Amino acid sequence: GAVVSQHPSRVICKSGTSVKIECRSLDFQATTMFWYRQFPKKSLMLMATSNEGSKATYEQGVEKDKFLINHASLTLSTLTVTSAHPEDSSFYICSARTGLVTEAFFGQGTRLTVV
Amino acid sequence: KNQVEQSPQSLIILEGKNCTLQCNYTVRPFSNLRWYKQDTGRGPVSLTIMTFSENTKSNGRYTATLDADTKQSSLHITASHPRDSAVYICAATTGNQFYFGTGTSLTVIP
Repeated sequence: GAVVSQHPSRVICKSGTSVKIECRSLDFQATTMFWYRQFPKKSLMLMATSNEGSKATYEQGVEKDKFLINHASLTLSTLTVTSAHPEDSSFYICSARTGLVTEAFFGQGTRLTVV
Repeated sequence: KNQVEQSPQSLIILEGKNCTLQCNYTVRPFSNLRWYKQDTGRGPVSLTIMTFSENTKSNGRYTATLDADTKQSSLHITASHPRDSAVYICAATTGNQFYFGTGTSLTVIP
């Protein structure tokens, strides 16, 4: 199956700093990428949808200035958590999809801890 | 409101036993029903995908069923193994939008 690589898998940062998470589709072109946030024992919560070359569409309640999403190419999307706070600590997962099929492939996830 | 509910929240079984996880959904317009396995600290991995016209689909020791009339699905795991320990997530889609359940945490004790 298709492979989506997410990096880093774990990151610890200090409050006030910014963290960038990368999501790459390794063997297919991802026209659409999704970013999710998952709290312990909770479901995946969609944060935003990004289409290559256009601005991301954010879900209600997600601060676009805090969670910057860039989808500059068909194989790479990045999520930058700006001015991170401890409450931003969470598990972030990306998902990539081509325009040809409805299957969505997930990255391995990134555990962010803000101290 | 589109939503997906799963039960039980958690389940502990002995190695070799079978188990069944449940999923109820209210999603419109319904496109397909998916089951994922999520290991701790990892992203979800697809197990099965079923459209409304499919009643059952198997993937090794995993068998999913779908009743589109009652909007219920189940995931049956046979001959469980400790490596089956994970969170199993049900997702119903409209084609473009995924709606995820909160998952069932399965622990298989050797």
